[in-house]
Amino acid sequence: EPEVTQTPSHQVTQMGQEVILRCVPISNHLYFYWYRQILGQKVEFLVSFYNNEISEKSEIFDDQFSVERPDGSNFTLKIRSTKLEDSAMYFCASSGTSGYRGVEQYFGPGTRLTVT
Amino acid sequence: AQSVTQLDSQVPVFEEAPVELRCNYSSSVSVYLFWYVQYPNQGLQLLLKYLSGSTLVKGINGFEAEFNKSQTSFHLRKPSVHISDTAEYFCAVSDEGGSEKLVFGKGTKLTVNP
Repeated sequence: EPEVTQTPSHQVTQMGQEVILRCVPISNHLYFYWYRQILGQKVEFLVSFYNNEISEKSEIFDDQFSVERPDGSNFTLKIRSTKLEDSAMYFCASSGTSGYRGVEQYFGPGTRLTVT
Repeated sequence: AQSVTQLDSQVPVFEEAPVELRCNYSSSVSVYLFWYVQYPNQGLQLLLKYLSGSTLVKGINGFEAEFNKSQTSFHLRKPSVHISDTAEYFCAVSDEGGSEKLVFGKGTKLTVNP
């Protein structure tokens, strides 16, 4: 069964450093998402992406964050200058095929980001 | 804006006992409703969803949920749990007609004891 994959599973970085979290969505999906979960808190929506542009973003997704689909298979989340409060589990998700966004989002296993 | 409340952060039960995990939501528009499960060190897996039609929906692994519009609830139930059902369960909503994002509850940790 096709699945969403994410790398790395765990990333440790120092405050102020840039990180790139990588995701490979399900191959025929066209809609992509990032969510995060700070330890002990809710899973929160960050951003959705379709047709090479952001379609929706939350207040959390400020200028320090960016997303990109650099090729036909990867979807990345970049944090330019990490802060301690960026420590969280980051989930990638994908949905929808041509002409239909799809209701069900398929999630990857997550990347645990630890900022020290 | 939508919100989801899962009142129980932890639910311990014995194997073969029934379980109900509670979920309430608030929204000014019609919503789709979901339950996701997260097993240790794994991603979020869809258990079941309510889009329209019958208010009782059945999902994988013997779980079911009932949509109650008047009580704005979508409680998850299983008549007899197994050790392997030990996991974290998340209720989520999305806007039926517009926004793509899922709004999640804080999750309920279900622990099934022998």
